Amino acid sequence: GQSLEQPSEVTAVEGAIVQINCTYQTSGFYGLSWYQQHDGGAPTFLSYNALDGLEETGRFSSFLSRSDSYGYLLLQELQMKDSASYFCAVRSGTGFQKLVFGTGTRLLVSP
Amino acid sequence: DTGVSQDPRHKITKRGQNVTFRCDPISEHNRLYWYRQTLGQGPEFLTYFQNEAQLEKSRLLSDRFSAERPKGSFSTLEIQRTEQGDSAMYLCASSIDRRGPITQYFGPGTRLTVL
Repeated sequence: GQSLEQPSEVTAVEGAIVQINCTYQTSGFYGLSWYQQHDGGAPTFLSYNALDGLEETGRFSSFLSRSDSYGYLLLQELQMKDSASYFCAVRSGTGFQKLVFGTGTRLLVSP
Repeated sequence: DTGVSQDPRHKITKRGQNVTFRCDPISEHNRLYWYRQTLGQGPEFLTYFQNEAQLEKSRLLSDRFSAERPKGSFSTLEIQRTEQGDSAMYLCASSIDRRGPITQYFGPGTRLTVL
C-alpha cells in the first residue's frame, strides 16, 4: 500500500519562507505531486517531481529525493492568500492513474 | 468557465435515501476520477474512468455506490441507502492522456450531509 506523512500544521508570517515536508512509502513510484486547497475549495495542482531535484514555479518550489522517499514544498515570499491546506500525493493503482494523498498540512500565514 | 463542474454543490438527505451526483469534466479530458474527502483529511480515491470504461474501483466503494460514465463525457455517482458515515465532500477530477505528468483538475465538489 501507500502512505504519505506530512506535518499537520505550519505557521509563518507574511514575507517569510516555509517548507512543508512529505515522506512516503509506496510499492511503486511514479512521481510526487503537490496540491493546494483553500477552505471550501477544490484541490488545485501546484507542482510535480518525477526525478530527483528541485522544480521551481514562481514563488513555489518542490524538491524530491527518491532514495530518501522524501520531498518538500517550499513557499517563498509568503502572502496571506497562501493560507490553505497543502497535500502531497503519489500516483498508484492500475496504470498509476489514481492519486493517493497525504493527510495534508494546514498553513497559517499571519500579518 | 471551462473547468470541471459538479452538481449539486450541496445535498442534505435523510438516512436511507438515495442520492445522485453529476460531474462534467473538462471537455477534451478522457479520464475522470471520483474522490471522497472528510474534514481534515486528504481526498480518498473512489473510482476512475477512461472514456466510458470504469478501470478501477476502491474497496471504499461498497455495493451501495455505483458510478457511470455512459458516453465518456459526464459521470454520475449514486449512493443508495445512504448512511451517516457517507457524509463527506465528493470530488470529481479529470485529466487528459499525454506524456509526462498527468495533472488532475478538480471540481468544486458536492458536499453531502446525511441526517
